[in-house]
Amino acid sequence: KAGVTQTPRYLIKTRGQQVTLSCSPISGHRSVSWYQQTPGQGLQFLFEYFSETQRNKGNFPGRFSGRQFSNSRSEMNVSTLELGDSALYLCASSLAAKTNTGELFFGEGSRLTVL
Amino acid sequence: GESVGLHLPTLSVQEGDNSIINCAYSNSASDYFIWYKQESGKGPQFIIDIRSNMDKRQGQRVTVLLNKTVKHLSLQIAATQPGDSAVYFCAEGRRSNDYKLSFGAGTTVTVRA
Repeated sequence: KAGVTQTPRYLIKTRGQQVTLSCSPISGHRSVSWYQQTPGQGLQFLFEYFSETQRNKGNFPGRFSGRQFSNSRSEMNVSTLELGDSALYLCASSLAAKTNTGELFFGEGSRLTVL
Repeated sequence: GESVGLHLPTLSVQEGDNSIINCAYSNSASDYFIWYKQESGKGPQFIIDIRSNMDKRQGQRVTVLLNKTVKHLSLQIAATQPGDSAVYFCAEGRRSNDYKLSFGAGTTVTVRA
């Protein structure tokens, strides 16, 4: 059974550009969450989607957005990139419609570098 | 602000010894806690979880202890192996905020041969 797949794994952008990251959850998982990981802030929750609906959102500016498709695949977009957006962006999927214990299956992440 | 935090950012352990990783949390409303392991270049991997109505839970070579009185959580790894070298995160979740986990900063565990 394939795990969570994230593309691209690495990318370099310049300030002001925008980026789209993709996530394919484990087959059958309908919940997809996104986290930003940086050395200084650790893992920070971005948003969570279930059945194409955003159910929760973290404390990030509106430049960060996401969506989920009918096949549960998800994308996140960051517009007008800033140097501080350099991070590892992690996608996680979950089977449960309502997460009782929060067991998430993470992908390997997309490493974004903003120059 | 951060609702979970780890006591030590790094831990060095002799192979074969037991490891104890600590985590403090601030929110009494937390309903469950999870420990994750992240190896270099990989995403976090679920280790074990515990609900707030429990004090202890055991898995394979791992035990999680929850002390709600002092809002403290620990992960014990028995007979630490080189493959246990990684960054360990504690995270907390609440049913009222069911789809969001708050992670601690992480403890880097290095196993000495």
